[in-house]
Amino acid sequence: ILNVEQSPQSLHVQEGDSTNFTCSFPSSNFYALHWYRWETAKSPEALFVMTLNGDEKKKGRISATLNTKEGYSYLYIKGSQPEDSATYLCASPDTGGGNKLTFGTGTQLKVEL
Amino acid sequence: DAGVTQSPTHLIKTRGQQVTLRCSPISGHKSVSWYQQVLGQGPQFIFQYYEKEERGRGNFPDRFSARQFPNYSSELNVNALLLGDSALYLCASSLQGSSLATEQYFGPGTRLTVT
Repeated sequence: ILNVEQSPQSLHVQEGDSTNFTCSFPSSNFYALHWYRWETAKSPEALFVMTLNGDEKKKGRISATLNTKEGYSYLYIKGSQPEDSATYLCASPDTGGGNKLTFGTGTQLKVEL
Repeated sequence: DAGVTQSPTHLIKTRGQQVTLRCSPISGHKSVSWYQQVLGQGPQFIFQYYEKEERGRGNFPDRFSARQFPNYSSELNVNALLLGDSALYLCASSLQGSSLATEQYFGPGTRLTVT
């Protein structure tokens, strides 16, 4: 059974602050790590799928890094804006076949003016 | 192009009843997965269907069942509803049936409340 953990559980920052949060996953038998952004009342939106150790991906002010040897990924948001307020989820796929994702509990980000 | 659609948006049922939730994947996607999300937790995998065949089943009781139709849309059925089945039910579609690095596209979910 995969154990995916995220921290912190919630985060309040001021507009313009940069922030980051962590996703931990089992390093053995790693294949990929998915990041999603989930705004209230909307669908979860795929941000990144990361597969290579040391990989860094970027989408606008959001970036993510991956360390498969120690089993963690960081998500960074530079110059947070109120529209960044959302729950950020990471998920690890089950390598037993199929498309099953095991999700962490998410980090709820609130960006205040 | 339309994204993943789900119906209904909200649903209220009483204990013991049965419910059917529906999902239409993105055009061209042949895989549909169902997840249950309760407050404070991440989505939990229930089922995956690909080309109308079950490809995966999560740790849910037999009261939960699903199927996929020739047009790749899917239904999730839950029998003998319990209060604990109250949750947001998410559907996700993807192009491939088994690719660990494939993006999955989620619908907005169906909010089920069991009273």
